[in-house]
Amino acid sequence: DTAVSQTPKYLVTQMGNDKSIKCEQNLGHDTMYWYKQDSKKFLKIMFSYNNKELIINETVPNRFSPKSPDKAHLNLHINSLELGDSAVYFCASSPAEGFGSPLHFGNGTRLTVT
Amino acid sequence: SQQGEEDPQALSIQEGENATMNCSYKTSINNLQWYRQNSGRGLVHLILIRSNEREKHSGRLRVTLDTSKKSSSLLITASRAADTASYFCARSSNTGKLIFGQGTTLQVKP
Repeated sequence: DTAVSQTPKYLVTQMGNDKSIKCEQNLGHDTMYWYKQDSKKFLKIMFSYNNKELIINETVPNRFSPKSPDKAHLNLHINSLELGDSAVYFCASSPAEGFGSPLHFGNGTRLTVT
Repeated sequence: SQQGEEDPQALSIQEGENATMNCSYKTSINNLQWYRQNSGRGLVHLILIRSNEREKHSGRLRVTLDTSKKSSSLLITASRAADTASYFCARSSNTGKLIFGQGTTLQVKP
């Protein structure tokens, strides 16, 4: 059973399109995250939700909008995609918000914008 | 940069040898964590060391932490081809965010 699953695994789309990435965790964790990993493998946090409430919102263009319908799901919607959005996006979860609880990652969604 | 610095960026060794990766950071931490990322996969948590701990072991992994030097190291003993992956350190600050380093790519040749 996959603990943190995200779909799709690959996403190829054209500039200007709108796309969504879905994430679900079956670990019963309260906190979920979106991270972006660039081509140099830098991993940067984008958003954090604790029990459906937005906790961390890094300096991310407002074209990116997370949505958490319940604490087991955190989806990422991206409007007006740009070339620079190409990256691997990881969803993660942890049992508690803050103070460095270990993260459980999904296997990533490789987004390619052409 | 808030991100930690990892050294070396790439490491290639023979199976059976030990691999040492280092991580430095600039601000105070609650804890420091190490993760492994296999190609095309998500990161997997390996070990967490708290700011008041100096050394921690898990199987073939040994992590040390020197808060005076703001540095940590990950030692993998008796490496195997399956250890080939990227290894990341991540520091937990008082804000609760995990800040990741850029990783060390380890290749273990059979």
